[in-house]
Amino acid sequence: DIQMTQSPSTLSASIGDRVTIICRASHSISSWLAWYQQKPGQAPKLLIYHASNLESGVPSRFSGSGSGTEFTLTISSLQPDDSATYYCQQYESYWTFGQGTKVEVK
Amino acid sequence: EVQLVESGGGLVQPGGSLRLSCAASGFTFTSHAMNWVRQAPGKGLEWISYISSNSRTIYYADSVRGRFTISRDHTKDSVLLQMNSLRAEDTAVYFCVKKDAKDFYFESWGQGTLVIVSS
Repeated sequence: DIQMTQSPSTLSASIGDRVTIICRASHSISSWLAWYQQKPGQAPKLLIYHASNLESGVPSRFSGSGSGTEFTLTISSLQPDDSATYYCQQYESYWTFGQGTKVEVK
Repeated sequence: EVQLVESGGGLVQPGGSLRLSCAASGFTFTSHAMNWVRQAPGKGLEWISYISSNSRTIYYADSVRGRFTISRDHTKDSVLLQMNSLRAEDTAVYFCVKKDAKDFYFESWGQGTLVIVSS
């Protein structure tokens, strides 16, 4: 099984800050990685697929990078609406999610 | 617009059964594989089952294999999850999820249905 580990588990940042979330895979997953955003009481929403492809309609301040075992999700300028939990997911072998990173906007 | 609407959740005793349903609309249902993902209260996301567009390929997570059965009904554009031998640790919100047509990421999610296993 492929395990996914995110860091940090929580972060607090100010409006306009650049925020980076790291996701590591226990085995190489090439670029078979997606990022999702989940707000309280809501379903997850796809942000990024294939490690760096922005889903249609997602603001361009979100970006993804990486390949193999290390990936990053970056929010270039944090906005109040970005307060949420973010999950990475590998889909190289079945599907596994990271444990989530809760982002708080100060 | 893609819509996935889950139903069938509720309170069930340990060892009991429940059947979840997901009504799909806004896309060609017969062309897309579907999944169920669950989220225990205050916890992260766990993929539990996959069914291909033609139902020939089915996968389960180890945590539910042998107890849960996924199926789809193309006459009603719906995907079902039969859950037997339920345990307290199955308590979660269950999401119906549409896979991208060509890739394997999860493109669209329903709002979820809550299953509580408790005596």
